[in-house]
Amino acid sequence: QVTLKESGPVLVKPTETLTLTCTVSGFSLSNARMGVSWIRQPPGKALEWLAHIFSNDEKSYSTSLKSRLTISKDTSKSQVVLTMTNMDPVDTATYYCARIIYGDLYFDYWGQGTLVTVSS
Amino acid sequence: SYVLTQPPSVSVAPGKTARITCGGNNIGSKSVHWYQQKPGQAPVLVIYYDSDRPSGIPERFSGSNSGNTATLTISRVEAGDEADYYCQVWDSSSDHSSYVFGTGTKVTVL
Repeated sequence: QVTLKESGPVLVKPTETLTLTCTVSGFSLSNARMGVSWIRQPPGKALEWLAHIFSNDEKSYSTSLKSRLTISKDTSKSQVVLTMTNMDPVDTATYYCARIIYGDLYFDYWGQGTLVTVSS
Repeated sequence: SYVLTQPPSVSVAPGKTARITCGGNNIGSKSVHWYQQKPGQAPVLVIYYDSDRPSGIPERFSGSNSGNTATLTISRVEAGDEADYYCQVWDSSSDHSSYVFGTGTKVTVL
């Protein structure tokens, strides 16, 4: 059974750095073609893709947020970590991680999401 | 950047057919995927590669894609289909490839 679970702070202050962790089970981050993406959704708004990382360590970032994002993985812990610097209130959103298989270009399993609020 | 446009809302009576469109420049040349999101829940994949259904998704959900419009069709609509629906593509047409989501459509069952 494939599951993903996000964890991290519920509240961050403006200008701080956000660190989110996605812990996966039911598949291995070292298996060929396996990958994890981060996607966010501001309250009442649409989904926005942020970044992905694959088992071969290939990474890609949203063009508009690339300068603020870093994605990495710890295969031994089955975790993918996203950091976003210089947080702003407009970054308030539910952050999801989702599984993606290299070449398939869609998200077949999603975590439950974690709401992050940016406020002083 | 590539833009996917969906109608903000669609209303449908139980038992009838709901059609949700996703407009994009020459979207017919891309693979379109659809997600259902109920309030307070994570999105769920309901259609991939234009018209394929993941296991566990009812046959009432179907998809098509041609020209500048992709369509998600829900037949024999049930109250449990009330949700937001998002289309998604992989856009490699610009210098930087990216996953793109549509603007979302709220389906209301009357």
